[in-house]
Amino acid sequence: SQTIHQWPATLVQPVGSPLSLECTVEGTSNPNLYWYRQAAGRGLQLLFYSVGIGQISSEVPQNLSASRPQDRQFILSSKKLLLSDSGFYLCAWTRGLAGYNEQFFGPGTRLTVL
Amino acid sequence: GNSVTQMEGPVTLSEEAFLTINCTYTATGYPSLFWYVQYPGEGLQLLLKATKADDKGSNKGFEATYRKETTSFHLEKGSVQVSDSAVYFCALRGDSNYQLIWGAGTKLIIKP
Repeated sequence: SQTIHQWPATLVQPVGSPLSLECTVEGTSNPNLYWYRQAAGRGLQLLFYSVGIGQISSEVPQNLSASRPQDRQFILSSKKLLLSDSGFYLCAWTRGLAGYNEQFFGPGTRLTVL
Repeated sequence: GNSVTQMEGPVTLSEEAFLTINCTYTATGYPSLFWYVQYPGEGLQLLLKATKADDKGSNKGFEATYRKETTSFHLEKGSVQVSDSAVYFCALRGDSNYQLIWGAGTKLIIKP
């Protein structure tokens, strides 16, 4: 069976510090991978998605970046965090391009920038 | 472009009440439709889905029918429980799209 891991579960960082959130998927190969942010009481905002190693598509301009160094690893980074980066970050994967394939979500990372 | 509209929350009901959360969509072609649930402090879980018109998705007592004529996918449950308190998201995925298009989410609060 497939599982998706995210770490850390919670993170408190000062403004201006760097960020690295990691997501890994087990039990499948060549997944499509996604990073979402969910602000408190709000819906989901798609940040990045990747259809293969080294392939990253960005949905919104921001000070965050993403990388996919391995097939089942997806990393979200920032060089300097802003207060507005606080939120709940969710990683997700899906099997392929077929429209009926649902996304499977990780447990999330709650980031607080002070 | 594709879009999803959900009823605004929070929706507050008493235990054993009937639930409807409205979801309508705009899309070209034949999208797949999904309902996800997010319990407090957790990631999202797929609740149910439907991949073609007139399909009914069901799970844990929840149901939703893919209505192409009204472009709707309303979520229903006959008798809600306190444990159903969560945020519910409606989503759409087109045939040739890598992404899910998400509704804003509807917070459901069930009081004992």
